[in-house]
Amino acid sequence: GQSLEQPSEVTAVEGAIVQINCTYQTSGFYGLSWYQQHDGGAPTFLSYNALDGLEETGRFSSFLSRSDSYGYLLLQELQMKDSASYFCAVFSGNTGKLIFGQGTTLQVKP
Amino acid sequence: DTEVTQTPKHLVMGMTNKKSLKCEQHMGHRAMYWYKQKAKKPPELMFVYSYEKLSINESVPSRFSPECPNSSLLNLHLHALQPEDSALYLCASGEGVGEQFFGPGTRLTVL
Repeated sequence: GQSLEQPSEVTAVEGAIVQINCTYQTSGFYGLSWYQQHDGGAPTFLSYNALDGLEETGRFSSFLSRSDSYGYLLLQELQMKDSASYFCAVFSGNTGKLIFGQGTTLQVKP
Repeated sequence: DTEVTQTPKHLVMGMTNKKSLKCEQHMGHRAMYWYKQKAKKPPELMFVYSYEKLSINESVPSRFSPECPNSSLLNLHLHALQPEDSALYLCASGEGVGEQFFGPGTRLTVL
């Protein structure tokens, strides 16, 4: 089967660094994506890792270890606007589908 | 144009109504998707069109009928829906593997 696990909630303060982990189990793994979704909004693509290692885009970085079936999203210099749900997602070449984790609600406090 | 548009933004319909949701993208993406999302849950795949042909139907009830008139447009026809079908319906486009661009969604309420 295919499954992803990520924490349901994370809380951090403004200016801090937070890491959201994601472990996955899937057949025909292509890569790991991260999406951000604010309340009432649509998911917005943040990053995609197909190869092992760290990808950095501004304050956000994403990491993948294919051998460990594990990845994480790192958010630095947290801002109040970063309060949102974050979904990890894997693309399975076997099924042609993007499968989402249950999502992590990040609350940034002043 | 790096945007996926969806209409309407909100829709309220009775169980006997017929309505359609519309989606448009002008990024030249080969794949378009319909997702359903309930509150506090991840998007749930419904249909995938690849090169204007239906490639994936996630065993969606026949009261939902997708249509892809051309490479830029995607419709979802709704008929005889149930109250439990109330949700946010999201359209997305992409090249399949990593990144999908989502539209703002249609918030559907079935009375």
